[in-house]
Amino acid sequence: ELKVEQNPLFLSMQEGKNYTIYCNYSTTSDRLYWYRQDPGKSLESLFVLLSNGAVKQEGRLMASLDTKARLSTLHITAAVHDLSATYFCAVGRGGGADGLTFGKGTHLIIQP
Amino acid sequence: DAGVIQSPRHEVTEMGQEVTLRCKPISGHNSLFWYRQTMMRGLELLIYFNNNVPIDDSGMPEDRFSAKMPNASFSTLKIQPSEPRDSAVYFCASRFQFSSYNEQFFGPGTRLTVL
Repeated sequence: ELKVEQNPLFLSMQEGKNYTIYCNYSTTSDRLYWYRQDPGKSLESLFVLLSNGAVKQEGRLMASLDTKARLSTLHITAAVHDLSATYFCAVGRGGGADGLTFGKGTHLIIQP
Repeated sequence: DAGVIQSPRHEVTEMGQEVTLRCKPISGHNSLFWYRQTMMRGLELLIYFNNNVPIDDSGMPEDRFSAKMPNASFSTLKIQPSEPRDSAVYFCASRFQFSSYNEQFFGPGTRLTVL
């Protein structure tokens, strides 16, 4: 059974600081996703990572994937308040048409 | 593009009543997924369809839950009878199966409260 673990589950940080969220998964998968969820809202796709060594960046967020270690990271650079949200990683169960297994999410609060 | 459309957005019902949640996927997408989100269990896949055919319903919690997709533009998730523990946010997501990223796009969700 595929398990996805995120840490930390809760993070409070100050604006301007850097931090990394970690996502470990238990079995081989061919794709990993990062989503953002604001309170009471839906999930917004941030990144899709398909191959070992993949790195993607959007603004202050950068995601990477190490398939050998079964590890993905979401790095936040010089955090700003607008990045406060819950961040989920999700792993495809394999093949081209499977559902996603989600981590528990990292609740991120960025304080001025 | 209107995105994934779900209705109702909020539903409050009493235990024992039937509840029907509706989803319209993005036009051109051929995969549809139903997820449930609770504080205790997080986001869970309930069932998904490819080309209107149910592929994996192993996440459906009990026989009280059923889902249908009569055509490419409409799906329902039904709970009968509903129980307080069914209270959650139910998300529908769709995807074009043969895209490079297989990215799933989520609807706004239906917040269900069973009293």
